[in-house]
Amino acid sequence: DTGVSQDPRHKITKRGQNVTFRCDPISEHNRLYWYRQTLGQGPEFLTYFQNEAQLEKSRLLSDRFSAERPKGSFSTLEIQRTEQGDSAMYLCASSGRSNRQFFGPGTRLTVL
Amino acid sequence: AQRVTQPEKLLSVFKGAPVELKCNYSYSGSPELFWYVQYSRQRLQLLLRHISRESIKGFTADLNKGETSFHLKKPFAQEEDSAMYYCALSGQGAQKLVFGQGTRLTINP
Repeated sequence: DTGVSQDPRHKITKRGQNVTFRCDPISEHNRLYWYRQTLGQGPEFLTYFQNEAQLEKSRLLSDRFSAERPKGSFSTLEIQRTEQGDSAMYLCASSGRSNRQFFGPGTRLTVL
Repeated sequence: AQRVTQPEKLLSVFKGAPVELKCNYSYSGSPELFWYVQYSRQRLQLLLRHISRESIKGFTADLNKGETSFHLKKPFAQEEDSAMYYCALSGQGAQKLVFGQGTRLTINP
């Protein structure tokens, strides 16, 4: 499968713990996006990379959230000191020259 | 402010009937408009984009700048069209997508 992949697919954690998610984009895509989706809502933008540069961050991305894309390939999203309000589906997408974004299957986070 | 509004959370029609999923947007400038679809147990995927002016799976959408709308239409619904549909916009070039809340479409046999 050469699509966008995300790991893990599900994560259950206790409040206050740190979690890290990984996204592997389509190999030739230089743009990578993170979104968050809560129940009954559409995805909301979190942050965006072009190659290894983080070009935009949403106000939704509090200082407990950090994202990296160290070599311009895969990306990680870390949430420190998780809160129950962080429970959501975290989606990754990638795009090439066009503005067509391809989405991964998502990581479902549950904070107890 | 960038905003996408899908007024219907749920839409149910009978097989063979016409379908219209509404989408209105607000954006200062010339946005790109998209429809994404999520079938049961599948990932979000692009259905169509306004700049392509294409018909995918019998669906079309016309950008109406005067009414700031991008409604999705299909003349004859099929059961396999049952899914969650999201309207989205982005600025020109490769930028973030702003999504609506989504409409769950159910096609009854």
